[in-house]
Amino acid sequence: EVELVESGGGLVQPGGSLRLSCAASGLTFRNYHMHWVRQAPGKGLESVAAISTYGTNTYYANSVKDRFSISRDDSRNTVYLQMGSLRNEDMAVYYCAAEGLAGSLDYWGQGTLVTVSS
Amino acid sequence: DIVVTQSPLSLPVTVGQPASISCRSSQRLIFSDGKTYFNWFHQRPGQSPRRLIYEVSNRDSGVPDRFSASGSDTDFTLKISRVEAEDVGVYYCMQGTHWPWTFGQGTKVEIK
Repeated sequence: EVELVESGGGLVQPGGSLRLSCAASGLTFRNYHMHWVRQAPGKGLESVAAISTYGTNTYYANSVKDRFSISRDDSRNTVYLQMGSLRNEDMAVYYCAAEGLAGSLDYWGQGTLVTVSS
Repeated sequence: DIVVTQSPLSLPVTVGQPASISCRSSQRLIFSDGKTYFNWFHQRPGQSPRRLIYEVSNRDSGVPDRFSASGSDTDFTLKISRVEAEDVGVYYCMQGTHWPWTFGQGTKVEIK
């Protein structure tokens, strides 16, 4: 059974930093492009960042470009999201998701909540 | 960024009756490989999204056949032939052709 487990969320002040982790099991992690998708409270879904297999390519939403960084460690089956210069509007549940089929998100984690508040 | 406009945003339905949700993209969603990467997800309260449909019309394993989807270019539709109580929640469409991948606003399906 595939499992994606996010961690690292919590309360952070505006302007602060946080690193999210997503540990994967039950799949051949190195074969999957990985994504972070967020959902603000009571709102819809927003793609945040993605990283290709081998970490060759990274992609960012305009709203987080130059503030967030996605990376992966295939030896640990883990993808990371380093978030900096956090703003109130970054407050959301952050999901990691695995792209097995091209152009789609096959598996999702349970999400980790990031709260930005002073 | 591509804008995906979903409608309706709220859909009260009677159990056993059909339901339909539409999404319209601001750009054509055919990728350079000829495929169209358009998906549908279902999210129940307090849960993560779960994919129902990929590549416009392909149902995921375990998805009941009362769910069907169609579309091309910029217009896509998800249909539920006979709504059941377990179908409540929010349905999202998503294009995976152009980065950043973008989602529709979501359609909240509830039972009348």
